[in-house]
Amino acid sequence: DAKTTQPPSMDCAEGRAANLPCNHSTISGNEYVYWYRQIHSQGPQYIIHGLKNNETNEMASLIITEDRKSSTLILPHATLRDTAVYYCIVRARGKLIFGQGTTLQVKP
Amino acid sequence: NAGVTQTPKFQVLKTGQSMTLQCAQDMNHNSMYWYRQDPGMGLRLIYYSASEGTTDKGEVPNGYNVSRLNKREFSLRLESAAPSQTSVYFCASSAQTGFGETQYFGPGTRLLVL
Repeated sequence: DAKTTQPPSMDCAEGRAANLPCNHSTISGNEYVYWYRQIHSQGPQYIIHGLKNNETNEMASLIITEDRKSSTLILPHATLRDTAVYYCIVRARGKLIFGQGTTLQVKP
Repeated sequence: NAGVTQTPKFQVLKTGQSMTLQCAQDMNHNSMYWYRQDPGMGLRLIYYSASEGTTDKGEVPNGYNVSRLNKREFSLRLESAAPSQTSVYFCASSAQTGFGETQYFGPGTRLLVL
């Protein structure tokens, strides 16, 4: 499975868009990009995933570059409840490999 | 629909004691997983079960055993607990281990080994 690189922490103002980057330069053609988040002390929560095309759901949007070597998770209107650790994961089949993630702090 | 449930929520053990962590899912998923999370770190996979009757090692299997009791239940056993196994344990499930599958996590079991 490809390795991912994320910034350790980011801040975002409440109501603004939060853009979380992820590098996965060694991704292979059949590997998906997944995003999960973990709010303090809770189990990880699935957010979104994609293969090649940009994806959007009720929680977020996922933008994947054309060469698939990086992606950005966008929370369009961040709230205080979005404060969490966000994990970018790339995998083909089976087990997820979690890295350290990005701690997003949403501030009033 | 409870999703993924785990018992117990908290447990304190003495070194050398044994215990079993229980996990159950009601989503009719084929695949189930056990992870551990140490302070300030991401999750690491201990064992997983791609389907009923099969189990495979993950990144950190030493000191653990698992049983896929049936499609719903996947238990994790510590035969002789050590302080290094102090951690938060998460169980997860997915429809299958194929491409693009989403894993759903339980609330976790917090284990302290003295």
